Amino acid sequence: DQQVKQNSPSLSVQEGRISILNCDYTNSMFDYFLWYKKYPAEGPTFLISISSIKDKNEDGRFTVFLNKSAKHLSLHIVPSQPGDSAVYFCAARGSNYQLIWGAGTKLIIKP
Amino acid sequence: EAGVAQSPRYKIIEKRQSVAFWCNPISGHATLYWYQQILGQGPKLLIQFQNNGVVDDSQLPKDRFSAERLKGVDSTLKIQPAKLEDSAVYLCASSTSTGNYGYTFGSGTRLTVV
Repeated sequence: DQQVKQNSPSLSVQEGRISILNCDYTNSMFDYFLWYKKYPAEGPTFLISISSIKDKNEDGRFTVFLNKSAKHLSLHIVPSQPGDSAVYFCAARGSNYQLIWGAGTKLIIKP
Repeated sequence: EAGVAQSPRYKIIEKRQSVAFWCNPISGHATLYWYQQILGQGPKLLIQFQNNGVVDDSQLPKDRFSAERLKGVDSTLKIQPAKLEDSAVYLCASSTSTGNYGYTFGSGTRLTVV
């Protein structure tokens, strides 16, 4: 039972363009959503988050959008840079404060 | 600030053997997490400590997995006996408190059970 889904295992984007990573969830009780970034052989690092009472949060080149009615969130990276090539995980906070993670999307930025 | 330290980085064992992983969190971080990440999946929480007490171990397979954080600092996760399906990366993370999701993760231990 996957409560958090990232349906695209990988995404390839040209350097300088916008990268859009998507995440869908099933549990309407999730109240907080986070994105983590992971490089090979390293642990994930926290990137950006959004509360369920908001629909947008921006931090530099990174913006997260939340559509509660569609149970969908997305991460926009503008402009995409080579250093953005990594695996991106979406996570959601459940009722017992436990994070439920998606399977990740591998982002490849082409020069 | 030193990061979260984990050892070993890699471990290969035969099924039914035992294995232990060690984690030293960032100094002062009260909350420590052990996650299991199977290839192609997202991390799954195994156990969460607040200081030396267990906050959540609902997804820890207690018939074979155990974890302790005796002095509220470093922690050990043990598997005994290991099964093939335990092959995964075991990630340790720490944060200043429960609910602070700016976790800092270690680099993980990649376990292969053959």
